[in-house]
Amino acid sequence: DAGVIQSPRHEVTEMGQEVTLRCKPISGHDYLFWYRQTMMRGLELLIYFNNNVPIDDSGMPEDRFSAKMPNASFSTLKIQPSEPRDSAVYFCASRALGTPHEQFFGPGTRLTVL
Amino acid sequence: AQTVTQSQPEMSVQEAETVTLSCTYDTSESDYYLFWYKQPPSRQMILVIRQEAYKQQNATENRFSVNFQKAAKSFSLKISDSQLGDAAMYFCAYSSSGGGATNKLIFGTGTLLAVQP
Repeated sequence: DAGVIQSPRHEVTEMGQEVTLRCKPISGHDYLFWYRQTMMRGLELLIYFNNNVPIDDSGMPEDRFSAKMPNASFSTLKIQPSEPRDSAVYFCASRALGTPHEQFFGPGTRLTVL
Repeated sequence: AQTVTQSQPEMSVQEAETVTLSCTYDTSESDYYLFWYKQPPSRQMILVIRQEAYKQQNATENRFSVNFQKAAKSFSLKISDSQLGDAAMYFCAYSSSGGGATNKLIFGTGTLLAVQP
């Protein structure tokens, strides 16, 4: 298995533009997580899905952020409109049902909003 | 709410020596999982080792081992025979063992480990 795949690896955009980050989880995994990593806030969970259904989106910072999982092999995180404070590394992770709750992370997308 | 604290922002170790990274956590739950993740400059998050709270035996993975003290809520990582490739940011993380909203990983702030040749 190729592991969790994220695209793009780097994204540079201008304030006000729409940004879409993509994730393909490991085949057979039931859970998908989106995390954001910044120097100020560290690693924080934004949202997670179980069997394609959003379960907990309490970490989504505001309405400009939205996430979808149309099928078991694809998820998107969208920011519209983007702001400079959204600059961060965004990670997608997935895991299978059951113990030991081990999450497998993708390589991350480094987003820079100018 | 659960919290994870790493009190050592940076550590340094000589190649081939042993180093211990500290982690404490706070929870009212009795069953949970603890993890150490490594993040090298490539920024890939790599699982180093995990510990189930119900197991008294400390987990070991090759040169990596933990000292799990449940009563003290302490979970330290020991790296033996340190290698240059061990240089990275290390994150301690907590996960509840129940379902629902407890699936999230709660991370500490990280410890940056430097390995001196």
